[in-house]
Amino acid sequence: AQSVSQHNHHVILSEAASLELGCNYSYGGTVNLFWYVQYPGQHLQLLLKYFSGDPLVKGIKGFEAEFIKSKFSFNLRKPSVQWSDTAEYFCAVGSSNTGKLIFGQGTTLQVKP
Amino acid sequence: NAGVTQTPKFQVLKTGQSMTLQCAQDMNHEYMSWYRQDPGMGLRLIHYSVGAGITDQGEVPNGYNVSRSTTEDFPLRLLSAAPSQTSVYFCASSYSRWREIGGISYEQYFGPGTRLTVT
Repeated sequence: AQSVSQHNHHVILSEAASLELGCNYSYGGTVNLFWYVQYPGQHLQLLLKYFSGDPLVKGIKGFEAEFIKSKFSFNLRKPSVQWSDTAEYFCAVGSSNTGKLIFGQGTTLQVKP
Repeated sequence: NAGVTQTPKFQVLKTGQSMTLQCAQDMNHEYMSWYRQDPGMGLRLIHYSVGAGITDQGEVPNGYNVSRSTTEDFPLRLLSAAPSQTSVYFCASSYSRWREIGGISYEQYFGPGTRLTVT
């Protein structure tokens, strides 16, 4: 069965610090990988996605993620966070056969000004 | 486009009551799904549909029914509400696209959510 694990549940950073959020998945078939962000009081928005090709994916707002197939990982990174990045971040794995998305538990990021 | 819309935004039910959460999309997406979001548990898939007339269960389907009579609408029915169903419910939809190397890829668009409290 598909599963997604996000290592950090709550991360607190100061502005300008670098960010890396871990995501590992378990699935035997071809996967599509996503990172979503949920700002306080809002619905989920897509940050970036990986379908195939270059394993380093760039998304919106300076975020990027690297797919490492051998480690079943899809970690999210940002070189310098801003206060406005305070949000909850979700990693998700989709089956390319059914389109079902399975989400991780989420990581709450708090950026202190 | 309005995108994915959900009604109501807030709802309070008593145990045993039934109700339907509405979800509609105007993007002609084939795939629609319902999730519930609970603290510390991420989003869990309740039911999904790959097209009109086709539905299937997700991770946590018990206590919920769905149907998909049109491409646009995907209502979620709570048959007999229980306090354990207190949650925030999100509807999502997506298109399908064949990649060059084959396979179907989906990225989902989410509605604003319905906050449901069952007392």
